[in-house]
Amino acid sequence: QKEVEQNSGPLSVPEGAIASLNCTYSDRGSQSFFWYRQYSGKSPELIMSIYSNGDKEDGRFTAQLNKASQYVSLLIRDSQPSDSATYLCAVNWDNYGQNFVFGPGTRLSVLP
Amino acid sequence: DGGITQSPKYLFRKEGQNVTLSCEQNLNHDAMYWYRQDPGQGLRLIYYSQIVNDFQKGDIAEGYSVSREKKESFPLTVTSAQKNPTAFYLCASSRQGARGYTFGSGTRLTVV
Repeated sequence: QKEVEQNSGPLSVPEGAIASLNCTYSDRGSQSFFWYRQYSGKSPELIMSIYSNGDKEDGRFTAQLNKASQYVSLLIRDSQPSDSATYLCAVNWDNYGQNFVFGPGTRLSVLP
Repeated sequence: DGGITQSPKYLFRKEGQNVTLSCEQNLNHDAMYWYRQDPGQGLRLIYYSQIVNDFQKGDIAEGYSVSREKKESFPLTVTSAQKNPTAFYLCASSRQGARGYTFGSGTRLTVV
C-alpha cells in the first residue's frame, strides 16, 4: 500500500515568517512529487512540482526533495495571511505521470 | 480557456436515489479521475480512466459507477448502494509526463 503522510496541523506562523511543511512517502520507486494548495471549500491548485533531489525555488516557495530519506518539504518564505490554506502533498510512482497518492494535507494558518 | 467543468456545484440526493455528477474537460488530456474528499481529510480515489472506453476502480469504488464514452467526458454516478455519499467530489485530468493534475471546481453532494 503506497502511503503519503503529513502532519495535519494546524501549523500557525506569524506573518513574514517561514512556514515549513513536511511530507514522507512509502514507495521508494516514486517518480515525481507535487504540492497543492487548497482553500476552504475550493478545489486544489498545483503550486510546485519536483522530480529530482535537491531544491526547487519558485518565488516565495521552495520545494525540497530527498529520495534517500523519502521526504519532500515545502518552504514558504515571507508568509502572508493569504497563504492560509491546506497544503496537500501528492506523489506519483508510475512512468506515465497518471497515478498519484495524496497525503491528508497540512492546514497552515498565517497570523497577521 | 481550457479547463475542467464540473456540474452542478451543489447537489442534494434523497435516500435511495441515484445521482450523476458531470465532468467535462477541453484540455485534450487522456486521463481523468474522480476523487472524494471528506471534511478534514485528504483525497480518496474513486475511479480513473486512462483512455476512452476503459476505466479502473480506485480505493473506494463501491457504490459508484462511471463511463468514458468520449475523451472529454467522465461522468460519475453515485448509486443508492453508496450509504454515506455526503462529500466534496473532485474531478481531475492529466496528460502523460508527470505534470500533475488539473482539478475541476468540485461538486458538493448532500444527502437529505
